[in-house]
Amino acid sequence: GENVEQHPSTLSVQEGDSAVIKCTYSDSASNYFPWYKQELGKRPQLIIDIRSNVGEKKDQRIAVTLNKTAKHFSLHITETQPEDSAVYFCAASSWNAGNMLTFGGGTRLMVKP
Amino acid sequence: DAGITQSPRYKITETGRQVTLMCHQTWSHSYMFWYRQDLGHGLRLIYYSAAADITDKGEVPDGYVVSRSKTENFPLTLESATRSQTSVYFCATWTGKNTEAFFGQGTRLTVV
Repeated sequence: GENVEQHPSTLSVQEGDSAVIKCTYSDSASNYFPWYKQELGKRPQLIIDIRSNVGEKKDQRIAVTLNKTAKHFSLHITETQPEDSAVYFCAASSWNAGNMLTFGGGTRLMVKP
Repeated sequence: DAGITQSPRYKITETGRQVTLMCHQTWSHSYMFWYRQDLGHGLRLIYYSAAADITDKGEVPDGYVVSRSKTENFPLTLESATRSQTSVYFCATWTGKNTEAFFGQGTRLTVV
């Protein structure tokens, strides 16, 4: 089945700096890559997603890039703010794996004011 | 209200007892999942279901049982609770069509 690895597990940045979280996946048939944000004590919620026919997608301060050849995708947060502090999860889905949605291990992002 | 709801939100139980966590959705999404999240850790898949009457094991299924007789419900049962099952449990639904997955509010389970 699909295997998704996420790095780093923790990331600390200064307010205003950029943050980058990277994920790799194993199944070349994966075609959907969402990112979820989980604030402390709350449920994970989708913040952005990308499909395999697109190389990059932006939404205000967040962007996701996808490299299908290398089988990795990344979340970029620019001009970080304290409210960006949370745990971020990447995920991938593949028809080969019964269309399962497989999550990475998560990254705890801390934005220092 | 439309959505996904878990119950109870909080549960304390004793070692050895059977406990069932409920998950209900109003969308009729095909897929439903159960994850556990231990303090400071990621989401670990316990069981999932692709449709009514179809369930499969995830990464950490031991000690858990699921059923899905109706599309909208996906209960998770701990047959004989152990302290190691103290965790926050999240249920999620997904259409399976490359769209957003929705998580319930979570159930915080403490086994004493």
